[in-house]
Amino acid sequence: RKEVEQDPGPFNVPEGATVAFNCTYSNSASQSFFWYRQDCRKEPKLLMSVYSSGNEDGRFTAQLNRASQYISLLIRDSKLSDSATYLCVVYPGGGADGLTFGKGTHLIIQP
Amino acid sequence: DGGITQSPKYLFRKEGQNVTLSCEQNLNHDAMYWYRQDPGQGLRLIYYSQIVNDFQKGDIAEGYSVSREKKESFPLTVTSAQKNPTAFYLCASSRGPGGREAFFGQGTRLTVV
Repeated sequence: RKEVEQDPGPFNVPEGATVAFNCTYSNSASQSFFWYRQDCRKEPKLLMSVYSSGNEDGRFTAQLNRASQYISLLIRDSKLSDSATYLCVVYPGGGADGLTFGKGTHLIIQP
Repeated sequence: DGGITQSPKYLFRKEGQNVTLSCEQNLNHDAMYWYRQDPGQGLRLIYYSQIVNDFQKGDIAEGYSVSREKKESFPLTVTSAQKNPTAFYLCASSRGPGGREAFFGQGTRLTVV
């Protein structure tokens, strides 16, 4: 089983719709979780950290489900500018080398 | 403005040549990382450094070398031993190890010609 798994998509969503995608991780001891956004041929940028209690930042909501070992990202009232690849990122803990990145979910918002 | 600067943005290398990619940060971060990204693939860790004068191999270190002589700088050398060096190289830094969020430079796109 891969350490961090995401549905690669693409998710084609009409503008204004709500879209959600999940990411599963294999290491139950994982300590930190993040969502990054990556535009085509650009560097990843931190979108939000994911806390145990869940957190919201404007139209974006992130949730963590430790029992089922997944994190989710919900985007409400989607904008054309939300089109990007969303990377699920996990810190495995236990003195791991660094962050583990999923391959990303490609989101396309259509007008 | 604080940030991470990678240079050059584009780099072309002839087979058999070594090339060095620059990464500088003024965020006062202790930890720095090098990742490689291939088309349609996730980021893979090449090397990381948690403190000056110390660095560790990541998952795909073969054919690469690094140094960390200064806190601000973490250059990556792609040697001729790297069999398939064409890729997008990303440098990142974080305040420290232990799962803190990382911030990336704009990347260097290396092409072997």
